[in-house]
Amino acid sequence: KQEVTQIPAALSVPEGENLVLNCSFTDSAIYNLQWFRQDPGKGLTSLLLIQSSQREQTSGRLNASLDKSSGRSTLYIAASQPGDSATYLCAVREETSGSRLTFGEGTQLTVNP
Amino acid sequence: ETGVTQTPRHLVMGMTNKKSLKCEQHLGHNAMYWYKQSAKKPLELMFVYSLEERVENNSVPSRFSPECPNSSHLFLHLHTLQPEDSALYLCASSRLLGTEQFFGPGTRLTVL
Repeated sequence: KQEVTQIPAALSVPEGENLVLNCSFTDSAIYNLQWFRQDPGKGLTSLLLIQSSQREQTSGRLNASLDKSSGRSTLYIAASQPGDSATYLCAVREETSGSRLTFGEGTQLTVNP
Repeated sequence: ETGVTQTPRHLVMGMTNKKSLKCEQHLGHNAMYWYKQSAKKPLELMFVYSLEERVENNSVPSRFSPECPNSSHLFLHLHTLQPEDSALYLCASSRLLGTEQFFGPGTRLTVL
């Protein structure tokens, strides 16, 4: 059974810092991996999707990497801003699961002005 | 806005009530999903529909009954719920099964 773990569970940084969020998964037979952002009490916003054949994806100040063989992904946020404060969720789609996404519990990020 | 809307945004119901959650997507997608997000737990997939047919039921109790009348609308009918069913219920859609999912804002459900 696929398990997704996100470390750390919570992170507090001063504005302007570069930071890395980690995601690991137990079964490397994945189809793709997706990073989401969730604001308190709200739905999920898709940030980046990395196909299993890709090593990284970039969008603005965000860069996500994928090492499928070792079961790890990182989300790098450059020059963090208070508006980046949210919970960041990692989810994997397995090769055999079709539509099923398996989520981690998330990293709660606070960027202090 | 993600193009996926959910109503109501908040719902409080008693254990004997019957209520329904509604999801609508304006993206022309063919697949729709219900997820449950409880405090301190990862999102759990509940149901998946593709072209209005249920393709996955993730061992969800029968007190939750989904309905997909067309590819743009998805309902979750609720009856005789338990307090532990209190959670954020999220709807998502994707162009096809297995492609990128887009989420609605969720319905915060409280069962008294």
